[in-house]
Amino acid sequence: GAVVSQHPSRVICKSGTSVKIECRSLDFQATTMFWYRQFPKQSLMLMATSNEGSKATYEQGVEKDKFLINHASLTLSTLTVTSAHPEDSSFYICSARKTEGGGPLHFGNGTRLTVT
Amino acid sequence: EDQVTQSPEALRLQEGESSSLNCSYTVSGLRGLFWYRQDPGKGPEFLFTLYSAGEEKEKERLKATLTKKESFLHITAPKPEDSATYLCAVQAERDDKIIFGKGTRLHILP
Repeated sequence: GAVVSQHPSRVICKSGTSVKIECRSLDFQATTMFWYRQFPKQSLMLMATSNEGSKATYEQGVEKDKFLINHASLTLSTLTVTSAHPEDSSFYICSARKTEGGGPLHFGNGTRLTVT
Repeated sequence: EDQVTQSPEALRLQEGESSSLNCSYTVSGLRGLFWYRQDPGKGPEFLFTLYSAGEEKEKERLKATLTKKESFLHITAPKPEDSATYLCAVQAERDDKIIFGKGTRLHILP
């Protein structure tokens, strides 16, 4: 299989605080992981590509200082939402490939972030 | 610009009523087209990969087909447990990114 684990599944935080979301590939190594965001009844929007040992690549319109990505090992990437505001409330999902360069992405079960 | 358009947005079927979901795509050089199933509050679950026109894949009541412009996900004699959002996505030859359509929300009535 190809199992991706994401934690936490739900988090509620106060405006102005930071939240860290972890994404792990459990049975394979991933030099690249992808972070998506999904609004209700909308598609998955790619936020950034996380590269092991180097800087993440952010999509246009995504603030890299707000959404900090760290990919410190071949099985772990983290997304930190800094100084969160209510408009950051969303469903964040990470994903990874078993095969570099091509093939399907395998997704975690997502993190529902609510900023009050 | 690469684009994925899915139709219909939502579909309600009676149990056993077969139908098809459409995914039209525009991409400069297709590396792969993917179908996923997503249940509420969960991450997408991988179903199929299609690489070239004419290719078909099957899994239980689902069958995916691919042409140079679109893909279909055929659902034969669906059951209520097939209710979910079905997402189509494409990867271009030139990069790693996968772009998703907005999905089709499928509801199978018992």
